Amino acid sequence: DTAVSQTPKYLVTQMGNDKSIKCEQNLGHDTMYWYKQDSKKFLKIMFSYNNKELIINETVPNRFSPKSPDKAHLNLHINSLELGDSAVYFCASSRLIGTGMNTEAFFGQGTRLTVV
Amino acid sequence: LAKTTQPISMDSYEGQEVNITCSHNNIATNDYITWYQQFPSQGPRFIIQGYKTKVTNEVASLFIPADRKSSTLSLPRVSLSDTAVYYCLVTGGGNKLTFGTGTQLKVEL
Repeated sequence: DTAVSQTPKYLVTQMGNDKSIKCEQNLGHDTMYWYKQDSKKFLKIMFSYNNKELIINETVPNRFSPKSPDKAHLNLHINSLELGDSAVYFCASSRLIGTGMNTEAFFGQGTRLTVV
Repeated sequence: LAKTTQPISMDSYEGQEVNITCSHNNIATNDYITWYQQFPSQGPRFIIQGYKTKVTNEVASLFIPADRKSSTLSLPRVSLSDTAVYYCLVTGGGNKLTFGTGTQLKVEL
C-alpha cells in the first residue's frame, strides 16, 4: 500500500495550459504539503494544509492553487503554465504536533512536470 | 531559521563507513536535527532525528556534540544502494521542512 500517492507521475504540457496534480495519503495524517524541486535539486515548500485549512503559503504565484477536499487529499492546480514551472512536484504528509520534535514527513514519488 | 552547511558531495567504496558532517551554528534551543535521504526519481525519506548526544537506528547513527552546532550522520558499511542525496535539516517544531543543498553520496565498488 502506497502511503502517499500522487498522479500523474509525468506530465508534459504546453505553455498556457491549466493542469492539476492529485495527491492522496492513507496514513491518517492531518497535515499535507506541496514541495517543488527544481533542476538544481533545491526542494522548497510551497503550501501546507492542516485539516483542510491552509497553514503555510510560501511566495508562490497565484496561478498555483491548492485544494484540499478532505484531510487525506491535497490537489495542486496550476493555471496558465509557464516554462519556469517545469520541475518535480512532491506531495507529503505528516502529523501536526507542537513545538519541539519535528514530526516525520512522508513524501510521494513526485510528479515531473515539463512545460514546452 | 537555522541554516545548515554540508559538503556538496562525497565519494566512498562499498563496505566503508561514511560520515557526513553538517554545521548549524545558529541552532535554537527547541530545534531538532533531522536527516533525510533522497534517491533519484523519488521523494525524500526520513532517516534519523536527534536532539543531543547520540541516536542510533537500523539505518544510521547521528552524533551531536554538546554545543549542538554541528552533527554527523554515520552510515556503517555502505553499499551501492546508499548512493543518494542526504539532507541535513534543523527543525524547530511546526511543520516547515527547509531543505538545503544536500550531500550527494556516491558509493562505488
